Amino acid sequence: QQQVKQSPQSLIVQKGGISIINCAYENTAFDYFPWYQQFPGKGPALLIAIRPDVSEKKEGRFTISFNKSAKQFSLHIMDSQPGDSATYFCAASSRSARQLTFGSGTQLTVLP
Amino acid sequence: NAGVTQTPKFRILKIGQSMTLQCTQDMNHNYMYWYRQDPGMGLKLIYYSVGAGITDKGEVPNGYNVSRSTTEDFPLRLELAAPSQTSVYFCATNRDTNTGELFFGEGSRLTVL
Repeated sequence: QQQVKQSPQSLIVQKGGISIINCAYENTAFDYFPWYQQFPGKGPALLIAIRPDVSEKKEGRFTISFNKSAKQFSLHIMDSQPGDSATYFCAASSRSARQLTFGSGTQLTVLP
Repeated sequence: NAGVTQTPKFRILKIGQSMTLQCTQDMNHNYMYWYRQDPGMGLKLIYYSVGAGITDKGEVPNGYNVSRSTTEDFPLRLELAAPSQTSVYFCATNRDTNTGELFFGEGSRLTVL
């Protein structure tokens, strides 16, 4: 019930391309879905987040798409840049929980 | 403001040794967390605290202990190090769990040989 499944494990994209990372969850009580970005040797940092009352949220080149009925959400990175090369984690939490449940991570490489 | 500070950044332990990973925050956040990160496994919660004097187990607490005597500090203790505890450990804080926005330290890489 608490698991968040993330795919793919790794992704290689050409500069200027679209990067897409997918996550699926089981717990219908989840009501907050953030994405974290982690560069080598650093801790993760919040990138963008969404609540289930909207189906899409966009911040610059980063967009979260949310499908409540399918219990899935995804991160789209438009015009991917080499500086976007990092590990991306999806996560989920509920109001009653005091903790985030993280996906297993996606290592993104954007080729110049 | 330093944010979340973890020490040490790197440590090598022998099997059976003990050590404490330190975590200090200057953001006055009530909620603090310890995660471990293993390749391909994401971040697993070890212990968390919702305020001074209050701690609770996360998903993978075995082999670890914590204490929270002040708002600022949340040390993680390994009593009898085992190779399975080789990992990168992250401390994080949160002002409000409803937003879920965690602020992470830069991590402590621990190797147990």
